[in-house]
Order: sequence, then structure tokens, then C-alpha cells
Amino acid sequence: QQKVQQSPESLIVPEGGMASLNCTSSDRNVDYFWWYRQHSGKSPKMLMSIFSNGEKEEGRFTVHLNKASLHTSLHIRDSQPSDSALYLCAASDTNTGKLTFGDGTVLTVKP
Amino acid sequence: EAAVTQSPRNKVAVTGGKVTLSCNQTNNHNNMYWYRQDTGHGLRLIHYSYGAGSTEKGDIPDGYKASRPSQENFSLILELATPSQTSVYFCASGDTQNTLYFGAGTRLSVL
Repeated sequence: QQKVQQSPESLIVPEGGMASLNCTSSDRNVDYFWWYRQHSGKSPKMLMSIFSNGEKEEGRFTVHLNKASLHTSLHIRDSQPSDSALYLCAASDTNTGKLTFGDGTVLTVKP
Repeated sequence: EAAVTQSPRNKVAVTGGKVTLSCNQTNNHNNMYWYRQDTGHGLRLIHYSYGAGSTEKGDIPDGYKASRPSQENFSLILELATPSQTSVYFCASGDTQNTLYFGAGTRLSVL
């Protein structure tokens, strides 16, 4: 049973468009969420993290968190072909600090 | 000057053989992690460590052992390798906010 569910599995957006990715944890013991980006053949790199309810913006990237529903979303505006990658959501267990990852969303930005 | 270094980068092993994957970090982070990633999927946690001398079981520890002899080094050991353990393995260190910094990965093929 996957504790961190991501949707959609894959997403195609045109260059300059908006990409919206979703992530929900079924484990009530999570407190922090991260978004990682992994380009093909590379290792994952942390993109954004969010610990509090609400919204956090960094450049073209915005993350939302609803702690009551344990749902986070990542929005990428003005998407670029270089944003094409696997986006991984991770949640940490309050008690152990252990990070659990979802299966990811494959984003393709078409020029 | 990669802060998390994995070796070897590629490994071909025979079924039933012993395999040791090594990881060294210069971040001085207490927490270290071993994940595996299968094609098109997210990261699954095998073992993790809170510091030298400590190892904890992750979500899929069966068939794997871990060793953390020092702050810098964290090894993953497959005593009797099986074809189902063919995968890409990532080591990571985690900072005080549990943001993970990944190595470049080890591609393991068990024939």
C-alpha cells in the first residue's frame, strides 16, 4: 500500500503553460512535505519544501499545503522544456523522520 | 566536489554472490539513507541511519544489510544477490531539516 500517492502519473503541457501536480499522504503521522525533481539519468534534487499550511512561492514554482487533508500540490507557471523531468513528492514521519516517496509524475513540456 | 559519493557507479553481479555498495558524504550530516529506484518508479527506502553505529530498517529491508562505521560512510550489503535486486541504488545524506542530498547512483545488474 503506497502511503504517498501522486497524480497524474504523467502530464504533457505546452511551453509557457501551467503544470499542476498533486500529492496526498495516507499516513496521518506525517508533518513535512518535499518536492524533488529528477532529470533523466540524474539523481533527485530538492526543489521545494513546505511545512506550514498555505502557499509558498519561489520564482515560477508554487507549492500549496493543506495539513488537514495531508495534500500538497506543485504548480509550475511558464513551463520550459528544461522542466521536463520526474517530479517526486516526499513526506516525513513525525516520529521517525523517515522520508517516504511517491512514484512520481513525469512532466513533459512540449516546445 | 560532490558531497555524496557512491561507488561503484555500475556493477554486474552473479546470482548468489555478495555485493557491497559504498557511500561517502562530506556534508557532516547525521542521517544517511539507501533507496532503490526501479524503472519509472519512485524511491523505496531500504535502510537508514541516524549516525555512526546506527542502522534502521526502511520499508523494504529484506535481502539487504547496512553498515554505518563512521559519520562519513554508509554501506549497503547484499549477502546473496538475486535478479530481483537489479535496480538503481541511491544513497543520500539528510540535513537538520531532513532535506536529502543524493549521490549519483549505482546501477546494479544481477545476472
